[in-house]
Order: sequence, then C-alpha cells, then structure tokens
Amino acid sequence: DGGITQSPKYLFRKEGQNVTLSCEQNLNHDAMYWYRQDPGQGLRLIYYSQIVNDFQKGDIAEGYSVSREKKESFPLTVTSAQKNPTAFYLCASSIGGHGQETQYFGPGTRLLVL
Amino acid sequence: AQTVTQSQPEMSVQEAETVTLSCTYDTSESDYYLFWYKQPPSRQMILVIRQEAYKQQNATENRFSVNFQKAAKSFSLKISDSQLGDAAMYFCAIGDSNYQLIWGAGTKLIIKP
Repeated sequence: DGGITQSPKYLFRKEGQNVTLSCEQNLNHDAMYWYRQDPGQGLRLIYYSQIVNDFQKGDIAEGYSVSREKKESFPLTVTSAQKNPTAFYLCASSIGGHGQETQYFGPGTRLLVL
Repeated sequence: AQTVTQSQPEMSVQEAETVTLSCTYDTSESDYYLFWYKQPPSRQMILVIRQEAYKQQNATENRFSVNFQKAAKSFSLKISDSQLGDAAMYFCAIGDSNYQLIWGAGTKLIIKP
C-alpha cells in the first residue's frame, strides 16, 4: 500500500539535544512538507521541498533543519536552538508542490521535552 | 496575505442529524482551491473534500458536501446523517499557485449518541 510513514510515534528530547524525526513516502511524490501542530491551532509550515536536494523555509523554520537526499525521505532535525519544541509534528507529501494539490499526511510524531 | 477563519471552536450534533461547519477565507488570488481535512483522535490528517474556486458546482463526497459562496468567501462543510466515526477536528485550508496551504484553527466536532 502506498503511503507516508513517520517514526518514532513518540520522541523525548533532553535539553540541549538534537533529535531527528523520520518521514518516508512511497507515493512517488516530488513534494514533501513538515508541519508543526500546537493545541488549539492549525498547522504551521516548518520546511518544504519540491525536489531532491532542494528545500525552502516555511513560516517557523528557526530551530529546525531538514535534508532531502532521496525522493522518498525528508527527515526533520529539531535542534537545541528550538526552545519550545513540544508539539505534534506532521509530515505530508503532494505530487508537485503547488498549493492546489491535495496533501497526504503521515500519522505524526509527538515530541516531548524531558 | 491569505487567511482562513473557523469561527466555531467546537460543535456538537446528535447522531444521524446534520451539522454545518463554517469557514471563511480571504485571498487576492483568482484561482485557488479549498480543502476540508479531518483529524480523528488518531491524529492522522485525512482529506474530506476539495473544491476548485472556478467551479460553480459544490463538491460532494458521500455524506459530506460543501456550500461554496465565492463572493462571500465562505466555504462551509455539511455533514449529513452524522455518525460516531465523524467525531474529529475539522480543518479548512486554502491553496493557490504558491507552495503552501493556509490553515484555519479547526473545529472540534462532537457526536452525541
């Protein structure tokens, strides 16, 4: 079955630590996205990538980094510079990366700070 | 800049009845798409329905339909014959030729048995 997988489901971060969230898709989509979701708010875009080896900052990129070395994979690193990382993180993909396209989502990763 | 407003933080409906969730938006684009996504307790975001702004006909997917009023910039979601499985957060979003979707804050839908 085609889809998007995210791991881990839960992740705990110690102060000063970098952690990496995994996102893999087998939909053959060119575009991939990372969103942050906080309680009572909609989704906010962290980073997006429309093609391998290229990515762009979204609205809240500070304290985060990404890579896109393979079409299928778009890992997100939450760095120690992100002072309030506790949130639910959603990865998504779409065919080409335009706003008119439907985005398909993974099951999410819940990040908690110890 | 585009904005999306969902004015109902929470709605409740009796099972088997009909409920309408409201969404208003603002955009300067002439060509755009509107989306309703559902986020059940599992938290996976699922597309409910998609509407192209240049189409006059309202989109329908089984028990889900929209009332798209382009001049009023309104895009409400109607759920008919509500079922317990419809309980979820519902998010409205707008997308244009740009790269990203703009999301509303969501409406929590409670289904009363």
